[in-house]
Amino acid sequence: DVKVTQSSRYLVKRTGEKVFLECVQDMDHENMFWYRQDPGLGLRLIYFSYDVKMKEKGDIPEGYSVSREKKERFSLILESASTNQTSMYLCASSRIPSGGSTGELFFGEGSRLTVL
Amino acid sequence: AQSVTQPDIHITVSEGASLELRCNYSYGATPYLFWYVQSPGQGLQLLLKYFSGDTLVQGIKGFEAEFKRSQSSFNLRKPSVHWSDAAEYFCAGGGSYIPTFGRGTSLIVHP
Repeated sequence: DVKVTQSSRYLVKRTGEKVFLECVQDMDHENMFWYRQDPGLGLRLIYFSYDVKMKEKGDIPEGYSVSREKKERFSLILESASTNQTSMYLCASSRIPSGGSTGELFFGEGSRLTVL
Repeated sequence: AQSVTQPDIHITVSEGASLELRCNYSYGATPYLFWYVQSPGQGLQLLLKYFSGDTLVQGIKGFEAEFKRSQSSFNLRKPSVHWSDAAEYFCAGGGSYIPTFGRGTSLIVHP
């Protein structure tokens, strides 16, 4: 079975703390993504990466950074957590569409972050 | 710019009734289109996908969807809903490898 694993399902942090959310995929996918999910707003793309050490901003990158040092691992970093970053964070990976591939995303189970 | 719209925030159906969840897309060429399901506290699971060929697509859990270019729609259907289908459903799509997601439709199933 293909798998995307997020290191923490639930985290509680204090305002101003540095937060690391880690994601690992075992499918040798080129692309990896971090989304934020909030009620009524659906999924909003924070950052994505199409290769090691490469990253692109998504729709809401402010307050976040990412790191991709290895193909299978994509980390989301909150340098100084704020209460408005309380949310569900979803990691996903995909293969670049080619031939029979449609580039569908495979998701982890999510990390629910609460910032107090 | 590409966009995906799910007009219904909530849908309530009775168990055993048929279901149709609406999805409209805005994209110039034929897009990749997907439906995902999210159970409470879980990540998203792919139900089905369309990228070319037969416009009626079969997926897992008894779901199907039909791509209608003339209506820019990709509606999800199921002939008979089970209580376990209660979940959040997301339509997604676009022309690149970065799909745009709709805001989701919450399905409530009454016994």
